[in-house]
Amino acid sequence: TQLLEQSPQFLSIQEGENLTVYCNSSSVFSSLQWYRQEPGEGPVLLVTVVTGGEVKKLKRLTFQFGDARKDSSLHITAAQPGDTGLYLCAGAMGNTGKLIFGQGTTLQVKP
Amino acid sequence: KAGVTQTPRYLIKTRGQQVTLSCSPISGHRSVSWYQQTPGQGLQFLFEYFSETQRNKGNFPGRFSGRQFSNSRSEMNVSTLELGDSALYLCASSLAEPSSGNTIYFGEGSWLTVV
Repeated sequence: TQLLEQSPQFLSIQEGENLTVYCNSSSVFSSLQWYRQEPGEGPVLLVTVVTGGEVKKLKRLTFQFGDARKDSSLHITAAQPGDTGLYLCAGAMGNTGKLIFGQGTTLQVKP
Repeated sequence: KAGVTQTPRYLIKTRGQQVTLSCSPISGHRSVSWYQQTPGQGLQFLFEYFSETQRNKGNFPGRFSGRQFSNSRSEMNVSTLELGDSALYLCASSLAEPSSGNTIYFGEGSWLTVV
């Protein structure tokens, strides 16, 4: 069974703080995607990382794919209340459209 | 460019009934996959279709089925509904044959409540 362990599950911080979300697996993924989901809506894609060791930046968000393509992290700098939401990592296995999702991280940023 | 469109957005069904959910992928996308999201289990893969053929199937009972049409639109059906089938059903589409780095986009989902 392929598993993607995401941590922490819940995070409540003050505006301006930094945070990091982790996704770890014993499986190798061909790519890894990060999504953000608002209540009642579908997941919205933030980024796709493909190459081991790859780092991508999206404004205050930094995404990293592990060298062995088994893990990834999302770092948010100076969090804002608008960053509040559910963050999901999802790994793709080989030539398939099937994604393995982590359990999600519910982030609350208090003003 | 329109995103992934799912209908209906909300529906309530009674135990034992069946339901059909519809998904229109992003124009030009040929791969469609379906996921079930519940508070307890998170997002779980149901099945994936490409060029009208099922390519992958998750660990769900045979009551869950789907199909894809020649225009890439897809439907999923759940028969003999159970209370535990209450969930957000998400459809996702991707551009071409699934491959490394192929980005997958989600619709807003169909909320199914079984009473």
